[in-house]
Amino acid sequence: GEDVEQSLFLSVREGDSSVINCTYTDSSSTYLYWYKQEPGAGLQLLTYIFSNMDMKQDQRLTVLLNKKDKHLSLRIADTQTGDSAIYFCAGSGGGADGLTFGKGTHLIIQP
Amino acid sequence: EAGVAQSPRYKIIEKRQSVAFWCNPISGHATLYWYQQILGQGPKLLIQFQNNGVVDDSQLPKDRFSAERLKGVDSTLKIQPAKLEDSAVYLCASSLILNEQFFGPGTRLTVL
Repeated sequence: GEDVEQSLFLSVREGDSSVINCTYTDSSSTYLYWYKQEPGAGLQLLTYIFSNMDMKQDQRLTVLLNKKDKHLSLRIADTQTGDSAIYFCAGSGGGADGLTFGKGTHLIIQP
Repeated sequence: EAGVAQSPRYKIIEKRQSVAFWCNPISGHATLYWYQQILGQGPKLLIQFQNNGVVDDSQLPKDRFSAERLKGVDSTLKIQPAKLEDSAVYLCASSLILNEQFFGPGTRLTVL
């Protein structure tokens, strides 16, 4: 089955860009997602990318997909204190398949 | 549009007791998922419903866990009997198209 790996922590200064990385094993993953989880809250879908795309931009968020290396990244421009959360990378085979999540990256914002 | 509703938000039980969680998906969403999120890990899919039929329950520990989705709307997830390792947050999600899954706030279960 799918395996998704992420680094556990990322610390950035407020106003800088954050880049959260993810690698996955299943090359048949059709959709790749980024979710945000704040303390005590459910998961919020931030953005997703289809496997036939290399990049997707949505306001402060940029997703890059390197299919050859099976590497996905999420860049958050002008990181703010409200961006402090756990960010999960997830993949699915498509359609209405269930998601396979990584363990999440804790984004820590330094003032 | 109302989000995915779950109850209770918190539950504390002793091992070997039974517990049930309830989920009401977003109106019109045919697909419903239950995930288990153990502390420090990402969510793991337990079961997926399409309307009131099970699509995938390959990771559901069927000796103690059961789930149903009567009438293709609300769903309940039951654990009987609970074990210490079942302590986790149980997340319900629903989707309509393109696998955009919307998650509820979760039920935090503590088994003592």
